[in-house]
Amino acid sequence: DQQVKQNSPSLSVQEGRISILNCDYTNSMFDYFLWYKKYPAEGPTFLISISSIKDKNEDGRFTVFLNKSAKHLSLHIVPSQPGDSAVYFCAASPPGTASKLTFGTGTRLQVTL
Amino acid sequence: KAGVTQTPRYLIKTRGQQVTLSCSPISGHRSVSWYQQTPGQGLQFLFEYFSETQRNKGNFPGRFSGRQFSNSRSEMNVSTLELGDSALYLCASSLVPGGPQETQYFGPGTRLLVL
Repeated sequence: DQQVKQNSPSLSVQEGRISILNCDYTNSMFDYFLWYKKYPAEGPTFLISISSIKDKNEDGRFTVFLNKSAKHLSLHIVPSQPGDSAVYFCAASPPGTASKLTFGTGTRLQVTL
Repeated sequence: KAGVTQTPRYLIKTRGQQVTLSCSPISGHRSVSWYQQTPGQGLQFLFEYFSETQRNKGNFPGRFSGRQFSNSRSEMNVSTLELGDSALYLCASSLVPGGPQETQYFGPGTRLLVL
């Protein structure tokens, strides 16, 4: 039972354009959501997070949107840069257990010149 | 500040053997979690330790175990290795467990190959 889903295994975007990565979840108990970026042979790197009491959180080029009624979150990267090419994972946790993350399967982002 | 370190980085074992992986959290971090990453199952939570006590556990068999020491360093052990245990094992640390502010920071992982 995949409680966190990333339905797009890959995404290709031109440099300078917006990258939109999507994530859906089924467990309504999740109240904390994160995005991680991962390069091959490295551990995931934390990018941005959002609590369920918010619907948007912004940090530089990265913005995460949360739609609780649709159980959907998205990560926007504007403008996209070649160094953003990596695998992006969304993750979620229920209340009080932010250390127990359920991850999506990842979306490979390729930013082309 | 140094990041999460994991040793060894690579390991080859044979079926039936056991293995111990080590994780040193970021200085000052007291919570350590372990995850397994495989191509088929993705990233899956194994367990979390805080103050030398297991606080949460994922859906893995009892062959997977862990512990945490008083200096917050953690080890995980897998006994009676199976081919399916071949994976990247990731350790993550956070200041304390629980709550939305306790972001986890991951180490580079230990890649285990079981032959």
